[in-house]
Amino acid sequence: NAGVMQNPRHLVRRRGQEARLRCSPMKGHSHVYWYRQLPEEGLKFMVYLQKENIIDESGMPKERFSAEFPKEGPSILRIQQVVRGDSAAYFCASSPSQSYGYTFGSGTRLTVV
Amino acid sequence: GQQVMQIPQYQHVQEGEDFTTYCNSSTTLSNIQWYKQRPGGHPVFLIQLVKSGEVKKQKRLTFQFGEAKKNSSLHITATQTTDVGTYFCAGLSGSEKLVFGKGMKLTVNP
Repeated sequence: NAGVMQNPRHLVRRRGQEARLRCSPMKGHSHVYWYRQLPEEGLKFMVYLQKENIIDESGMPKERFSAEFPKEGPSILRIQQVVRGDSAAYFCASSPSQSYGYTFGSGTRLTVV
Repeated sequence: GQQVMQIPQYQHVQEGEDFTTYCNSSTTLSNIQWYKQRPGGHPVFLIQLVKSGEVKKQKRLTFQFGEAKKNSSLHITATQTTDVGTYFCAGLSGSEKLVFGKGMKLTVNP
């Protein structure tokens, strides 16, 4: 079992470009969560998805950010027209149900220049 | 909304010392989880507590869930350099996602 796979590990984008972050959950896990972490900070919830459904997106900015978890393929976190303030580590986690512990991926470190 | 607070934010100990870190929630929790993140790494699940007053041990780590299910503690005995990292507590209440505290960063003097 390969665990939660995130790619890319590092992503550099210029201001105004789009960033696409991918996450493949663990086999058998249908719950996917995205968190954002700034240096020396905690994990800030962004969005919770199940296959083809967004369950809770209360932590995601209304503009420029979107997430999906299609029937086939990985979950995608998309950030349009990136700004310097979007620079952070973005972690994806999965679980078999909401009351289980999460398995985190290695994260994508996004740098906006 | 639900908030989870951890104290202290930073802890520096001498190798071999014991210490305790605390986690407090603004709301009653259905469960609380603890994670460890090594420098440059990702959070790794340590344990989940569900029952009021529950105590669980993992080698030198002891986790406790408060009677009111609003707080938790992590006690580490005989700290080692391998314990270095940031420890997060995370609570699950009525909402469907875990809310994380800001973490307790542990450094150890060998």
